[in-house]
Amino acid sequence: GAVVSQHPSWVICKSGTSVKIECRSLDFQATTMFWYRQFPKQSLMLMATSNEGSKATYEQGVEKDKFLINHASLTLSTLTVTSAHPEDSSFYICSAMVAARTYEQYFGPGTRLTVT
Amino acid sequence: LAKTTQPISMDSYEGQEVNITCSHNNIATNDYITWYQQFPSQGPRFIIQGYKTKVTNEVASLFIPADRKSSTLSLPRVSLSDTAVYYCLVGVAAGNKLTFGGGTRVLVKP
Repeated sequence: GAVVSQHPSWVICKSGTSVKIECRSLDFQATTMFWYRQFPKQSLMLMATSNEGSKATYEQGVEKDKFLINHASLTLSTLTVTSAHPEDSSFYICSAMVAARTYEQYFGPGTRLTVT
Repeated sequence: LAKTTQPISMDSYEGQEVNITCSHNNIATNDYITWYQQFPSQGPRFIIQGYKTKVTNEVASLFIPADRKSSTLSLPRVSLSDTAVYYCLVGVAAGNKLTFGGGTRVLVKP
């Protein structure tokens, strides 16, 4: 149980375009989802916390107008990278918190974004 | 949020026990300690979680002293497939965010 999927697993896009990444909790309801970014050989950096039905809370330094997060249901959160640039190329990972069980976050497999 | 400090890397050999200690001096009363494993280009995988004393599951043990200012993840009889980065995180339940530190890169050699 507690499986989180992401789609797509990798994407290449041209500079200036937008890319949407989906995060789904497959067998549980997630009231809270988190979005992370990870550059090569570095740790995960939390970008934002997404709560179902409300606006996401962004970490300091993360542009909310550039990284649009929508958490429309208890099983789906999306991250849209708008007007992507090469420096946005990274590994994006989501995690979901199990609503009925506290403390544990389950992570998706990640999405590799390359902006050319 | 409680900050964590771990060794940057550790080398081991197949069949050995690997112990990774994490320091979290300013852990709060409500904080739990969680360990994750991450392989390259994959999302982290939950290993174990504890609050105090000792927790054991099918893959690891977690030792937490009484003052809870540190914790030790113990991986028994590691194999080559245990080569990964291991993260120690400290956080509170129910919606609170977790902050990843640098992690410990464990290399298991044949």
